[in-house]
Amino acid sequence: EVQLVESGGGLVQPGGSLRLSCAASGFTFSSYEMNWVRQAPGKGLEWVSYIDIGGNTRYYADSVKGRFTISRDNAKNSLYLQMDSLRAEDTAVYYCARDGPIPAAGYCDYWGQGTLVTVSS
Amino acid sequence: QSALTQPRSVSGSPGQSVTISCTGTSSDVGGYNHVSWYQQHPGKAPKLMIFDVSKRPSGVPDRFSGSKSANTASLTISGLQAEDEADYYCFSYASSHTYVFGTGTKVTVL
Repeated sequence: EVQLVESGGGLVQPGGSLRLSCAASGFTFSSYEMNWVRQAPGKGLEWVSYIDIGGNTRYYADSVKGRFTISRDNAKNSLYLQMDSLRAEDTAVYYCARDGPIPAAGYCDYWGQGTLVTVSS
Repeated sequence: QSALTQPRSVSGSPGQSVTISCTGTSSDVGGYNHVSWYQQHPGKAPKLMIFDVSKRPSGVPDRFSGSKSANTASLTISGLQAEDEADYYCFSYASSHTYVFGTGTKVTVL
């Protein structure tokens, strides 16, 4: 069974940093591209970032470019999101989502349950 | 990276059909066949319902169908059931190696 479990969320002050993790199991993690998606309280979904299977190609939404860094450790079956220079508008539930089973599938077929990040003083 | 435009809400009685539109531009919906749809119940993670415009993942009822014409994609739910009441989001590849979600539509079963 495919499982994605996010961790690392919490309360952080504006300008601070946080590192999210996503532990993957039930599939060959190293064969799948991955994404982070977020959802602000009471708002819609927003795509945040993408990483290819080797970690060499990474894409970001304009809203986080230069502040967030996506990475992965295939030996540990883990996906990460390093978030720096956090702002109040980054407050959201952050989801880890697996890309489809073919290269550049362009959709997310499995999702974690999310971890809440709150940016507030 | 402007969000794709969806109606705020749609509603229907059990057994009826409802259609949700998702309007973008030639740089996203109209330019690629990477359009997918997600169902989200309150407090839950999104669930993939349609990918590549009209394909259904295993386990998704065939009451759900997708299509696209020019810059607008659509999700149709036929034979509406109580458990279909949820928020629905479209998602598309956009140019410059980015992706964009729709604004979201709340489906209410009357």
